[in-house]
Amino acid sequence: GQNIDQPTEMTATEGAIVQINCTYQTSGFNGLFWYQQHAGEAPTFLSYNVLDGLEEKGRFSSFLSRSKGYSYLLLKELQMKDSASYLCGRLGDKLSFGAGTTVTVRA
Amino acid sequence: GAGVSQSPSNKVTEKGKDVELRCDPISGHTALYWYRQRLGQGLEFLIYFQGNSAPDKSGLPSDRFSAERTGESVSTLTIQRTQQEDSAVYLCASSLAGGAAGELFFGEGSRLTVL
Repeated sequence: GQNIDQPTEMTATEGAIVQINCTYQTSGFNGLFWYQQHAGEAPTFLSYNVLDGLEEKGRFSSFLSRSKGYSYLLLKELQMKDSASYLCGRLGDKLSFGAGTTVTVRA
Repeated sequence: GAGVSQSPSNKVTEKGKDVELRCDPISGHTALYWYRQRLGQGLEFLIYFQGNSAPDKSGLPSDRFSAERTGESVSTLTIQRTQQEDSAVYLCASSLAGGAAGELFFGEGSRLTVL
């Protein structure tokens, strides 16, 4: 729903950087969330962007461009524990999610 | 409680039976969501409650699905005449407000298996 698109899978090496892109419908947009979900567990909050620009939080950063309907989540210094699904959530009149991007970190 | 609580954590039922799933949100959270997650897939929006407003039911897949919420507390999701395609994890989440302040806190989910 809400035309939220993100890649299905990404693979990277431990210590590397990975960028997960998300595009979404711009009309009625109120904010962009990123959640992390490990297999068999509930999603946990990573970041929230409502203004354009980059929000940095430790090894994770999230970027938003409202005019382009585009966000990305940047994971730096990848660790094995970062292997998970990353969900892009668009807040309009309700919070809808993309299908998720499964990130696999290899040693 | 400290977090969002869901019950049962696991439910196995026979095709055609009704099931009821329960969610206890974090105290004081006015917004409550139900999502469905099939194996290996993303979160599918089902229904959204915000305070005393009429719920947004636009994600309910059929009239076999219904949900209620008592004030700003417990919610129940009912699936009537279950089908095998209903097998999934049903996640409940709550937040302080429905809008920009609303970081969602998720429960552990109810895993439904329809035989």
